[in-house]
Amino acid sequence: KAGVTQTPRYLIKTRGQQVTLSCSPISGHRSVSWYQQTPGQGLQFLFEYFSETQRNKGNFPGRFSGRQFSNSRSEMNVSTLELGDSALYLCASSPGTDQDTDTQYFGPGTRLTVL
Amino acid sequence: GQNIDQPTEMTATEGAIVQINCTYQTSGFNGLFWYQQHAGEAPTFLSYNVLDGLEEKGRFSSFLSRSKGYSYLLLKELQMKDSASYLCAVRDRYTDKLIFGTGTRLQVFP
Repeated sequence: KAGVTQTPRYLIKTRGQQVTLSCSPISGHRSVSWYQQTPGQGLQFLFEYFSETQRNKGNFPGRFSGRQFSNSRSEMNVSTLELGDSALYLCASSPGTDQDTDTQYFGPGTRLTVL
Repeated sequence: GQNIDQPTEMTATEGAIVQINCTYQTSGFNGLFWYQQHAGEAPTFLSYNVLDGLEEKGRFSSFLSRSKGYSYLLLKELQMKDSASYLCAVRDRYTDKLIFGTGTRLQVFP
């Protein structure tokens, strides 16, 4: 099976712009979670989508949003970029059917740099 | 609230054994995961513990004590390729969120 794929791998944007990141989960996986990873904060949970619905949400401002399509692919959008949004954005997929034992498998991430 | 603590950095020698500790505080515990992350790469799943005790998988073992809020990852017969960050994550039973520690960066020297 192919793993989780994310595009693009690298992005450079300027403050105030917006950005859309894409994630394709492992075939058959219906849950997609997004994380922000920075050196100081580690992995911070953004949100989780399951069957096109947001099932869980972290403590990020409304500038961060996402959606999931019927084929389970997911996109994440960040509007009005700030310097502090520079980070590695990781997507993880899991079957999503048994939340107690679900194991998340991560994509390679998108490295976003905001200038 | 939730809090996960891991040492920031550790060093060890090739062929040796190293134990990476993780302590956690959570309002509701529903499983603990260990991930390995090489620099510039995605985290990869290593182990999952939900009951007390030791889970062994080849050179890697993970231990959990729920009453102490404590886990460790044991790496035996260290190899240079084991140099990576090791992330401890706890699933909160009320929110189903995975809460990650900031990771332990392990450097293996020859």
